[in-house]
Amino acid sequence: EVQLVESGGGLVQPGRSLKLSCVASGFTFSNYGMNWIRQAPGKGLEWVAYISSGSSYIYYAETVKGRFTISRDNAKNTLYLQMTSLRSEDTALYYCARRSTTEDFDYWGQGVMVTVSS
Amino acid sequence: DIQMTQSPASLSASLEEIVTITCQASQDIGNWLAWYQQKPGKSPQLLIYGATSLADGVPSRFSGSRSGTQYSLKISRLQVEDIGIYYCLQAYSAPLTFGSGTKLEIK
Repeated sequence: EVQLVESGGGLVQPGRSLKLSCVASGFTFSNYGMNWIRQAPGKGLEWVAYISSGSSYIYYAETVKGRFTISRDNAKNTLYLQMTSLRSEDTALYYCARRSTTEDFDYWGQGVMVTVSS
Repeated sequence: DIQMTQSPASLSASLEEIVTITCQASQDIGNWLAWYQQKPGKSPQLLIYGATSLADGVPSRFSGSRSGTQYSLKISRLQVEDIGIYYCLQAYSAPLTFGSGTKLEIK
C-alpha cells in the first residue's frame, strides 16, 4: 500500500524558516517524481514544487521561487521542503504527492499544517 | 501559465441525478487532464486521469470526456458518498494548475 506521511509543520513567525518532510512507503520511491501542493484554509489547491526521481529536474511555483527549496533523499525514502522567509500567505495545509506516469498526482499524503503568524 | 476555468462553483443535486462539472483550458492541453474529489477533512483522491480514464477503485458512475479544450466530469447517478469538492488539474505543462473547485451537495 502506498503511503505518504508528512511532518514538520507548525506555527512560525513571519520571516522565519521551517522544513517539511514526507516519508514514502509501499513503492519504489527512487522511481517517481514528487510534488508539494498546498491548500490555504477554505481555499483551493495550489501546486508548489516538483522534483524528478533523480533530482535532475526541479520546478517551483512563482509564488515560492527563491524562498522554498525542494529536495529528496532516495536512500531514506524522504521528500523535503525547506521554507524560508515565510509570509502569512504561506499559511496552508501542505501535501506531498506522487507524480504518476500520466503526469498527474496519483497518491497524496494526509497533509501537514503550516501557520505563519506573529 | 495555463488557466483552468471550472464551473459551476457549487452544485446542489438530488440522489440518482446526473451531475456534470466542466473545466475549460486556456490553451490546448491534449488529454493531460485529471479530476479529483476531496471529501471534507480528507486529501484529494484521483478519479479520472488522461481526461477519460477511470482511476483504480473509482465507481463506474464517474466518467470523463473531452471536447477540444473543454473537459467534463459526469456522475451518472449521484450517491450520498459523492458529496465533496471536485477539482480539475491540467498536467500538460508547469506550473501545473488546478481549477477553482466545484462544491457538490445533495439537495
